[in-house]
This record gives sequence, C-alpha cells and structure tokens, in this order.
Amino acid sequence: EAQVTQNPRYLITVTGKKLTVTCSQNMNHEYMSWYRQDPGLGLRQIYYSMNVEVTDKGDVPEGYKVSRKEKRNFPLILESPSPNQTSLYFCASSPDRGYGYTFGSGTRLTVV
Amino acid sequence: AQTVTQSQPEMSVQEAETVTLSCTYDTSENNYYLFWYKQPPSRQMILVIRQEAYKQQNATENRFSVNFQKAAKSFSLKISDSQLGDTAMYFCAFMKPNNDMRFGAGTRLTVKP
Repeated sequence: EAQVTQNPRYLITVTGKKLTVTCSQNMNHEYMSWYRQDPGLGLRQIYYSMNVEVTDKGDVPEGYKVSRKEKRNFPLILESPSPNQTSLYFCASSPDRGYGYTFGSGTRLTVV
Repeated sequence: AQTVTQSQPEMSVQEAETVTLSCTYDTSENNYYLFWYKQPPSRQMILVIRQEAYKQQNATENRFSVNFQKAAKSFSLKISDSQLGDTAMYFCAFMKPNNDMRFGAGTRLTVKP
C-alpha cells in the first residue's frame, strides 16, 4: 500500500531529552515536508526537502533539524525539546512539482 | 512570503444544502498551485481538490468545486449536497513551483442532520 509512515504516533517526553520522529514513504516521491499543527494556526511548515541532501527551512524551523540521506526517509530531530514544541506533527510527500502532498497519520508530541 | 487567509473559523450547513468556504492568498508569484484539504476527526489529511493557477477553468471533483479568481487572489470551495461525512476541518493551501506549500488556519465545518 502506498503510504507515508510516521513513528511514533504518540510521544510524551521531558524537556531537553533529544528525540527523533521518523518518516518514511514507499512511493519514490521527490519532495518531502514536515508540518506542525496547532489550534487556530493551521499547519505550519517546519522544513521541506526537494531531493536527497536538499532541504530548506519553512516558517518555523527553530528548534528542529532534518536530514534527507535517502529518498524514502526524512526524520525530524528535536535536539532539546521544550514545552512550546508540544504539537501535532505531520510528515508528507509529493511526487512532482505541483502535485499535492500525501500525509502521514501524524505524531502527537507532548513535552513536559 | 506567501500568506493564506481563511476568514471563517467555523461554519455549519444543513445536510443536502450547499456551503462555500472562503480562502484568499497573497503572492507575487505568477505560477503556483492551490489546494483544499479535509481533516476529519480521525486527523488524517485528505486532498479534496487541486487547481493550477495558469488554468482558468475551475476544478471540480464530484460534489466539490472551486471558484478561482486569480486577479482577486481568491480560491473558494463549494460543497454541494452536503453529507454528514463532510464534517471536518478544511484547509486551503498555496504551493509554489518548488513544492513549498503553506496552509491557512482552517475552517471547521459542521454538517447538521
């Protein structure tokens, strides 16, 4: 089944403890992106990638890192999580320019 | 920077009626793409409809259609014959040619029986 897989789906962690949210797609898509969703703010882009080793910042990159070493994987790294990073996170992929993104099921992150 | 504005935080409609959700955007680009996504309570993001800015014809997908006014930078979504399953958050999105996509804050639609 063609899909974007994020793990974990739920995560509770403590301030300052490094974590990684994994994202993998099996559709050979060129483009991948990370978003966070907060009430009243919609989805805000964190980082996106146009291909392997090509990434760019979105609207809210502070406190996050990404890497795209392989086409299928695009992990999101929080080196030192803080409570303001408590949010619902989505990974998404797109096959080509102008095509809509296919989204993963989301990761609910709580930082205490 | 591109901005997407959805001015209606919440809307409701009676089952079988028609409802229109508004979206405006701001950009200096001439070539871009516009989308509407649906997010039901399951939180899954589902693509509803896509519009290419260089096409004047409005996109249609079954009961969903758009009114794209390029000069006015407006991109509204019309849902005809509303069904209970249409209850969801709806997000308007703007995409640059490099696939950088930004979203509006969303409109929560409730379809009432």
